[in-house]
Amino acid sequence: AQSVTQLGSHVSVSEGALVLLRCNYSSSVPPYLFWYVQYPNQGLQLLLKYTSAATLVKGINGFEAEFKKSETSFHLTKPSAHMSDAAEYFCAVTLLMFSGGYNKLIFGAGTRLAVHP
Amino acid sequence: GAGVSQSPRYKVAKRGQDVALRCDPISGHVSLFWYQQALGQGPEFLTYFQNEAQLDKSGLPSDRFFAERPEGSVSTLKIQRTQQEDSAVYLCASRLRTENSPLHFGNGTRLTVT
Repeated sequence: AQSVTQLGSHVSVSEGALVLLRCNYSSSVPPYLFWYVQYPNQGLQLLLKYTSAATLVKGINGFEAEFKKSETSFHLTKPSAHMSDAAEYFCAVTLLMFSGGYNKLIFGAGTRLAVHP
Repeated sequence: GAGVSQSPRYKVAKRGQDVALRCDPISGHVSLFWYQQALGQGPEFLTYFQNEAQLDKSGLPSDRFFAERPEGSVSTLKIQRTQQEDSAVYLCASRLRTENSPLHFGNGTRLTVT
């Protein structure tokens, strides 16, 4: 069955430093993978998605992620953190429901990113 | 507005009360999902609708949870005889029929059971 594991429930970086949020997936079929961001008291906003095209995916707000099949990873990076990046980040994988002809997202537990001056 | 709308934003219920949470998806979106997000956790799948048909309710934690979407647009998640463990944020999301189309989330309803 498909699942994701996010390593590190809290990550703290300095403003301007590299952001690296880790996600490993488990999937019996080629996965579709996603990163979402959640600001306080808001819903989830899609940052980027991998759907078997280019392995390096660029998203909004300067974030990108690289799909590495050999490592079953889909880590999220940003070269230079900004204060406004402080939020909760969720990695997700698609669970295909063949009998119903639909898919649903399975989320990781999340990583809270703190950015300090 | 063009987004997914959920109401109320906040709900406080005494243990044992029934609650109803509403979701207005984006117009024309066929697929609708409900997720439960406990404090400090990722969203957990509850149920899925394709138009008015509830195709998957495997994530509903007990028979106290019930969801409907009678006309294929607005959906209501009902929780009967609420318990403290039901306290969470309930997220609704919708998307077009195409499975590769993005999932749009509402801001959620924060339910606190006292």
